[in-house]
Amino acid sequence: ETGVTQTPRHLVMGMTNKKSLKCEQHLGHNAMYWYKQSAKKPLELMFVYNFKEQTENNSVPSRFSPECPNSSHLFLHLHTLQPEDSALYLCASSQDRDRDYNEQFFGPGTRLTVL
Amino acid sequence: EDQVTQSPEALRLQEGESSSLNCSYTVSGLRGLFWYRQDPGKGPEFLFTLYSAGEEKEKERLKATLTKKESFLHITAPKPEDSATYLCAVQAGDSNYKLTFGKGTLLTVNP
Repeated sequence: ETGVTQTPRHLVMGMTNKKSLKCEQHLGHNAMYWYKQSAKKPLELMFVYNFKEQTENNSVPSRFSPECPNSSHLFLHLHTLQPEDSALYLCASSQDRDRDYNEQFFGPGTRLTVL
Repeated sequence: EDQVTQSPEALRLQEGESSSLNCSYTVSGLRGLFWYRQDPGKGPEFLFTLYSAGEEKEKERLKATLTKKESFLHITAPKPEDSATYLCAVQAGDSNYKLTFGKGTLLTVNP
């Protein structure tokens, strides 16, 4: 595997379900990010982890719960979501959150549909 | 608040018809401007980073330029496989990692 991978690629869930999104990066990076991409809107940064520590929560509702067990893996735990949470959820990584020339590389995303 | 505006929202070209996409920005202290390509149902693919006005970068049929207020992505003799949404994002101020994205330009190249 190369780059940034995400599973599952598609997820349909009811409002009462609990599910998790997984992201893995094979780039040796130390910073990982969750973004939300909704139709007709710019990408929105949700969470940032740097060296496994959460450094940013961009006012995300508590029904989204991130977890970063190590620098290569990132999870997004979902529970009691709303239909308006349906979107493409993207994971990204970069060398280090605070480094100059900090290009972020994205995974393919998980298309989430909440019924 | 940082702002990024991309134009046009959508662009249709014939194969071989060169054109440019625009990304204008209003930020406090630009650190970097990024171009990404996104195919339907996929994540953004990194193309270029530009750091200072006057800088230019090229990759195959794409050339990105940067001024103090905007960036252009020039597409020379495009092919149908260049069809995608092109996203522009800026990093500014004190942050080395926060990206403010535009809404993108949907490019369609017809054979």
